[in-house]
Amino acid sequence: EAGVAQSPRYKIIEKRQSVAFWCNPISGHATLYWYQQILGQGPKLLIQFQNNGVVDDSQLPKDRFSAERLKGVDSTLKIQPAKLEDSAVYLCASSLDTRHGEQYFGPGTRLTVT
Amino acid sequence: GQQLNQSPQSMFIQEGEDVSMNCTSSSIFNTWLWYKQDPGEGPVLLIALYKAGELTSNGRLTAQFGITRKDSFLNISASIPSDVGIYFCAGRNYGQNFVFGPGTRLSVLP
Repeated sequence: EAGVAQSPRYKIIEKRQSVAFWCNPISGHATLYWYQQILGQGPKLLIQFQNNGVVDDSQLPKDRFSAERLKGVDSTLKIQPAKLEDSAVYLCASSLDTRHGEQYFGPGTRLTVT
Repeated sequence: GQQLNQSPQSMFIQEGEDVSMNCTSSSIFNTWLWYKQDPGEGPVLLIALYKAGELTSNGRLTAQFGITRKDSFLNISASIPSDVGIYFCAGRNYGQNFVFGPGTRLSVLP
């Protein structure tokens, strides 16, 4: 069974530029999560989707971050404009649904903002 | 908001030794997850716990759901070099999202 796929794996941009990350969850998983992991810390939830609907985006900085999962499968996370403090690893995870706790993570995208 | 503490923050052990680490919460949880993260990779799920007092093993790894529902423990027996990495706990209560701890960094000396 294929795992969670993410691209790109690495991205370097200048502050005030925009960037987008892509995630393809495990087939059949209805719930998709985007996490931000700052160096030396645990993952922090940004947004959770159930199929194509947003379940929780309370920790998403909506002035600069946006995410969508239009067809309930793939998802994109965008940052516009980027700030230096956005430098982090952006992890995508998926689970069967919100009731089943076991989340499976992708390899992440390491973003460096200069 | 909810916060998790993991102890120890880091540990250096000799190959072959047993390892113990724990995770504590200020809130009651109904699910605990333990993950391992290697450099440059995403966290990999090791063990999931769903019931207070539950003890679950995965090879040389054993995790327990604390009776108070505010803590969880992970033990690794007979450590080997590939056990090196950062171990994260994550917990949640009904209807809530998972909160992750800051991690325990494990180094294994040959």
